[in-house]
Amino acid sequence: LAKTTQPISMDSYEGQEVNITCSHNNIATNDYITWYQQFPSQGPRFIIQGYKTKVTNEVASLFIPADRKSSTLSLPRVSLSDTAVYYCLVGTDSWGKLQFGAGTQVVVTP
Amino acid sequence: NAGVTQTPKFRVLKTGQSMTLLCAQDMNHEYMYWYRQDPGMGLRLIHYSVGEGTTAKGEVPDGYNVSRLKKQNFLLGLESAAPSQTSVYFCASSQGLAGRYEQYFGPGTRLTVT
Repeated sequence: LAKTTQPISMDSYEGQEVNITCSHNNIATNDYITWYQQFPSQGPRFIIQGYKTKVTNEVASLFIPADRKSSTLSLPRVSLSDTAVYYCLVGTDSWGKLQFGAGTQVVVTP
Repeated sequence: NAGVTQTPKFRVLKTGQSMTLLCAQDMNHEYMYWYRQDPGMGLRLIHYSVGEGTTAKGEVPDGYNVSRLKKQNFLLGLESAAPSQTSVYFCASSQGLAGRYEQYFGPGTRLTVT
């Protein structure tokens, strides 16, 4: 089971770029890396997923180095509404082996 | 399209009592999951189901049972609640394997066991 480690919290100002790194040293060959966002009193919401190199969508980018032992979620030009907890998930095709990180609380201030 | 719904939203139990949490999804997903979320520990998988009539254990299954009698519903049962089961419970569904496909989460059920 790939253990995932991410920072507990990060602070940022509006308009800045926020980068959150997740470590997953024991990632398996078939594992994908997925990031979720969670607001208070809500369930997590999918942000982005990748396997290797770089993935970009309309809200974020995901950078995965060649060894895949870490991944970095990049949130460009954050706003107050990006204040949330962000979770890294490393998954495998083998059922039941889904490892969420403990979450990173991102606080964006004006 | 409601997505994933959970009932109840809140519940307080006394030690030893039993209860069932209901999860329903209207996206025709085959895969469904139950997680618990505790402070500082992220989400941990309790049980999951790959289709109607099938269930399997996740990372922390002890003290819980599940059933998937209908494709759209996934029930989580606590036969004899313990204070250690105080947590927020989330149900999720996906069209394929959770590590590969997007999971859609419900709003959660906050359970307190006294």
